[in-house]
Amino acid sequence: RKEVEQDPGPFNVPEGATVAFNCTYSNSASQSFFWYRQDCRKEPKLLMSVYSSGNEDGRFTAQLNRASQYISLLIRDSKLSDSATYLCVVNLNTGGFKTIFGAGTRLFVKA
Amino acid sequence: NAGVTQTPKFRVLKTGQSMTLLCAQDMNHEYMYWYRQDPGMGLRLIHYSVGEGTTAKGEVPDGYNVSRLKKQNFLLGLESAAPSQTSVYFCASTRRTGGNNEQFFGPGTRLTVL
Repeated sequence: RKEVEQDPGPFNVPEGATVAFNCTYSNSASQSFFWYRQDCRKEPKLLMSVYSSGNEDGRFTAQLNRASQYISLLIRDSKLSDSATYLCVVNLNTGGFKTIFGAGTRLFVKA
Repeated sequence: NAGVTQTPKFRVLKTGQSMTLLCAQDMNHEYMYWYRQDPGMGLRLIHYSVGEGTTAKGEVPDGYNVSRLKKQNFLLGLESAAPSQTSVYFCASTRRTGGNNEQFFGPGTRLTVL
């Protein structure tokens, strides 16, 4: 089983739609959580950190459920420019820090 | 600030050839990382460095070597390239490790080994 698992998609949604991605992690030593965005043939860039209480940044909302070991990202009012791959990232503390990247979920937003 | 830069951007090698990928950062970050990204897989850590003069193995270190002679530079070497090393290579840096430290990535190097 992968340490961080994501639905690869692709998710094809129309502009204005709300779309949600889930990510599950297997290691209970996971300490911090992030969503990164990666455009086609580009490098990953931090979209937002994920906090236990949940957090929002404009149209983006991230949630963490430690008991069930999953993270979610909700995108409201999708824009064409949201088309990208969204990477779930987990930092473990197992004596030393280790960062695990999910394989990503592809999103296509269509006009 | 250029952030993290990588050279070259593209390279085609023949099996058995060697090459060095250069990563440079101008953010005075302590930690630097080399990843490879393959279709359907997450970024996998090859080697990393926690400071000038130090390096450590990551998840997939075989076939690669690294050096961190200067704080701002992290070099990845392939001594004898194999087709299995065809991938996109990303360098990243963080101010320190763990916690909520954002990783800053370079633009990537697309390597094909024939």
